[in-house]
Amino acid sequence: GAGVSQTPSNKVTEKGKYVELRCDPISGHTALYWYRQSLGQGPEFLIYFQGTGAADDSGLPNDRFFAVRPEGSVSTLKIQRTERGDSAVYLCASSQTGQGTGELFFGEGSRLTVL
Amino acid sequence: AQTVTQSQPEMSVQEAETVTLSCTYDTSENNYYLFWYKQPPSRQMILVIRQEAYKQQNATENRFSVNFQKAAKSFSLKISDSQLGDTAMYFCAFMIERGGSEKLVFGKGTKLTVNP
Repeated sequence: GAGVSQTPSNKVTEKGKYVELRCDPISGHTALYWYRQSLGQGPEFLIYFQGTGAADDSGLPNDRFFAVRPEGSVSTLKIQRTERGDSAVYLCASSQTGQGTGELFFGEGSRLTVL
Repeated sequence: AQTVTQSQPEMSVQEAETVTLSCTYDTSENNYYLFWYKQPPSRQMILVIRQEAYKQQNATENRFSVNFQKAAKSFSLKISDSQLGDTAMYFCAFMIERGGSEKLVFGKGTKLTVNP
């Protein structure tokens, strides 16, 4: 697609529920990133995919968070047993690996609200 | 650990005037990259300008320029001839490229308002 697409744009759920957030990167971009942005903060790194594999998942806060990218394109961020502290905007970004430009192309994010 | 500090939570400027946003960072690396990203209310982060640490010349993109002071670990953004469309959150970010990973570390941001 022309840009990074994220769905849903907004998600409201209850504490303890399971949620999935989807990211469709720019066609041909092999690198995909998930970031979390809490209110009043800058984005914080969660996980980086190179192709289908998670090359760096050091930012995932705990084992309730998991992400997949089975075909090297679309990625899904999965959050189990949601907590109120998970409320944030989840940003996805993609880039051409090895370009060294640091230019990540971001989507508009999915705002998650856990009641 | 790499950290990025933006000491100005909010700034305002009159249309057509110049404003400078501050950023400092901390790292022990010698080769790295610095960025300013803009986030309008639509939430989409947009790259404004990029600086390679090994380059002494300050980067410039139209009305946007940086003052990169490597020894002081300072990376400020100057916006000239401010426009209403420049109103947004501005994030300073730092990156070390390792194994193809372009993981950015962001500051907390500065909210810039351009007044008519």
